[in-house]
Amino acid sequence: GNSVTQMEGPVTLSEEAFLTINCTYTATGYPSLFWYVQYPGEGLQLLLKATKADDKGSNKGFEATYRKETTSFHLEKGSVQVSDSAVYFCALSDPGANSKLTFGKGITLSVRP
Amino acid sequence: NAGVTQTPKFRVLKTGQSMTLLCAQDMNHEYMYWYRQDPGMGLRLIHYSVGEGTTAKGEVPDGYNVSRLKKQNFLLGLESAAPSQTSVYFCASRAAGGRETQYFGPGTRLLVL
Repeated sequence: GNSVTQMEGPVTLSEEAFLTINCTYTATGYPSLFWYVQYPGEGLQLLLKATKADDKGSNKGFEATYRKETTSFHLEKGSVQVSDSAVYFCALSDPGANSKLTFGKGITLSVRP
Repeated sequence: NAGVTQTPKFRVLKTGQSMTLLCAQDMNHEYMYWYRQDPGMGLRLIHYSVGEGTTAKGEVPDGYNVSRLKKQNFLLGLESAAPSQTSVYFCASRAAGGRETQYFGPGTRLLVL
């Protein structure tokens, strides 16, 4: 079956630090990959996505590249801000399974001023 | 465009009581989903629908029922609530097509005593 593994958290960084959040996946088909963000007390918002190998998704300074050879979709940002404090979820969608999303467990990021 | 809305935002139930959570979307999306979010477990799919009048089981369907009588609405029912159903429930919708994004509602926080 499909699965998503995220690095263990929580993560605490100082403002302007570099961020990497690791995500690897297992899929039987050829999935699309997503990063969703959940700010405190809110629902999930799409942060970025990639639908095929070597695609790079980007938004709000965050980037992630779909690496089929390493089955990874790591999230990076060069300089985090306090406003980036949130929970980040990696997910995959398998078009062959009615595009149901399979989520990682999420990781909490806290950014200190 | 309201996107995906959920009613109610918060509810407290006693064990054995029943209730219905309502999800509505105004994007004319074919697919709709119900997830639950529990600490350390990410989001897990309860039930989903690929069109009006159709429903299917997800990963954790026991204790829940759903109905999709109108394209824009997806109802999640708890016939006899249990403390194990204390969770945050999210609805999502997406357009037809293999690689479309799911859009999430703000969530319903349910506490079963």
